[in-house]
Amino acid sequence: AQRVTQPEKLLSVFKGAPVELKCNYSYSGSPELFWYVQYSRQRLQLLLRHISRESIKGFTADLNKGETSFHLKKPFAQEEDSAMYYCALSPSGSARQLTFGSGTQLTVLP
Amino acid sequence: DGGITQSPKYLFRKEGQNVTLSCEQNLNHDAMYWYRQDPGQGLRLIYYSQIVNDFQKGDIAEGYSVSREKKESFPLTVTSAQKNPTAFYLCASSSGEASWTGELFFGEGSRLTVL
Repeated sequence: AQRVTQPEKLLSVFKGAPVELKCNYSYSGSPELFWYVQYSRQRLQLLLRHISRESIKGFTADLNKGETSFHLKKPFAQEEDSAMYYCALSPSGSARQLTFGSGTQLTVLP
Repeated sequence: DGGITQSPKYLFRKEGQNVTLSCEQNLNHDAMYWYRQDPGQGLRLIYYSQIVNDFQKGDIAEGYSVSREKKESFPLTVTSAQKNPTAFYLCASSSGEASWTGELFFGEGSRLTVL
């Protein structure tokens, strides 16, 4: 079975500082990895997916298969980045569903 | 207004009672999901359905039941067998297997409190 671990429940950084939210996974196959975000009073929504190799709102994430990690990074944090972030994994194969980590609450301080 | 609609937003139940949470979508999505969200534990998958009249157990299906009689609807029943039902429940939908992108669209959630 797959597992997603987010070691930090809470993370605080100052505005303009770099931020990295950690995500590690365990899965024997080739997974698809995602980051979801939930802003205050909004629905949980997709932020980015590793397969797209895109930058969304200044965030990037690189899949490191050797370290089984998918850390989310942004060079200069903004106050509007404050939110709950979830890393998620979709196993390969026909069962299309997501396993989520426990989440990291990011607070960007002014 | 398109999307996922969950009802009710808040629900109170006495011990020993079953309760059904509603989830409706008008996105024409094939797949639908129920997650349970507890503080510090993230989202845990209860049940999911890839197509009408078919559904699979997730990681924590015990004490729950679902049905998928219509594409638009995926109700979740929390039975009296669920030992710790007080939680926040999230419903989601996504495109089917053929066009899977990994993007789930979530509802606003239903908070169930057992008294």
